[in-house]
Order: sequence, then structure tokens, then C-alpha cells
Amino acid sequence: DTEVTQTPKHLVMGMTNKKSLKCEQHMGHRAMYWYKQKAKKPPELMFVYSYEKLSINESVPSRFSPECPNSSLLNLHLHALQPEDSALYLCASSLNGGATNEKLFFGSGTQLSVL
Amino acid sequence: GENVEQHPSTLSVQEGDSAVIKCTYSDSASNYFPWYKQELGKGPQLIIDIRSNVGEKKDQRIAVTLNKTAKHFSLHITETQPEDSAVYFCAATSTGANNLFFGTGTRLTVIP
Repeated sequence: DTEVTQTPKHLVMGMTNKKSLKCEQHMGHRAMYWYKQKAKKPPELMFVYSYEKLSINESVPSRFSPECPNSSLLNLHLHALQPEDSALYLCASSLNGGATNEKLFFGSGTQLSVL
Repeated sequence: GENVEQHPSTLSVQEGDSAVIKCTYSDSASNYFPWYKQELGKGPQLIIDIRSNVGEKKDQRIAVTLNKTAKHFSLHITETQPEDSAVYFCAATSTGANNLFFGTGTRLTVIP
């Protein structure tokens, strides 16, 4: 299994809703990432988990809350989002503990629309 | 921090022709340069990467060249096919850095 699986593929939510994005990989990778990608832009790093511990938080607003229940799962909890948070949210994983000079495997993303 | 510039932003080629995408970087400490292909509705997929101890790397129709002195690297796709149509991102980073710095992307269209 060489896939990173993200659910849901699409999500529409209001500004008062609470929702969660899920990501799963069974490649034995020890680092997992959340990226945000706006249309026609490159991905922007949000969070990195290394060996199930949060190692990088790129100054992301607290309305985004990551969680890594185990080495195969990564969640992103969303609360009180703004319309400008609408974007494609990508999960990625890499083999070792999050060294940036190693290969990233991306999921297909969750297309989020905030109304 | 690192700054990666990518050109062109859009590129159209006839099927069977070659395509070249160029990137420059600013941080001389950068030592890892991956290229990602992103098709519509999908996440980026690594297609080739190169490390700073190598000047060129090839994988079938895809090749990447690196000029450390000039701080630029390029992606070469030969014998292009319609399925090569996608957005391509270059990136750069260094050992110990906390981020992978992406270029702004190139939308490649291969015309049948």
C-alpha cells in the first residue's frame, strides 16, 4: 500500500460548524504533514508530526487543530473557520522523522468550502 | 529563508516535443531538489528528485539537471504525451530546514 488516503474529498461548512478532516497511511511512515493549497498556488506547510509528536506549527490560527492519534492517522479539526480558509487541504507523509530532504507522499486532498 | 522562482508559469507544447521548466533558488545551503506533478483534482506526486552531489538524473522521459554554482535546476520532459499535461512544481530545501520551499508552478499543456 503506497497511498495516503484523505476523507472526505469535499466538504462544505458554515462558519459556526465544527468538522474534521482525516488522513491515513499504512506505509510505516513516521512523519505526517498538513498542507493548505489555494487555487493556482503551491502548497503551504501548516503542521508536521514526527513520531506522533507535533514538531512544526507554521503559525497557523487556532481554529485549525491537528491531532495524531497514532503513527498511521492524522486529523485536522476545524472550528469557526472563515471564508478565506476555503482551499484544498493536503495530507502528506514521509518515511523518517520529518527531515525535509526526503520524499513526500501526498494524498488527493479535501476541497474545503467555507460559507 | 529560501526563495524559489519558477518559469514559465504556463507552457504549451505539441505532442512529441520536449518541455523544459526552470527554477532558481537563493539559499546555497539547499541540497535537495524534488519535482512534483499535480493533476487536476489530485495531490502533488513526486516524479523525480536530485541531490546536490549529483549534476543530472534521468528516469525514462524525465530528466533533471542541477547547476549549484548558478543555483538553478531544470526539468526536462522528452517525447511529451497528453497525459503529461498537469501543473509541475519545483522545490528546494536543505538538511535541517523545517520546510520544503515550492516554486510557483508551471501549467504544462500537451496538445495532441
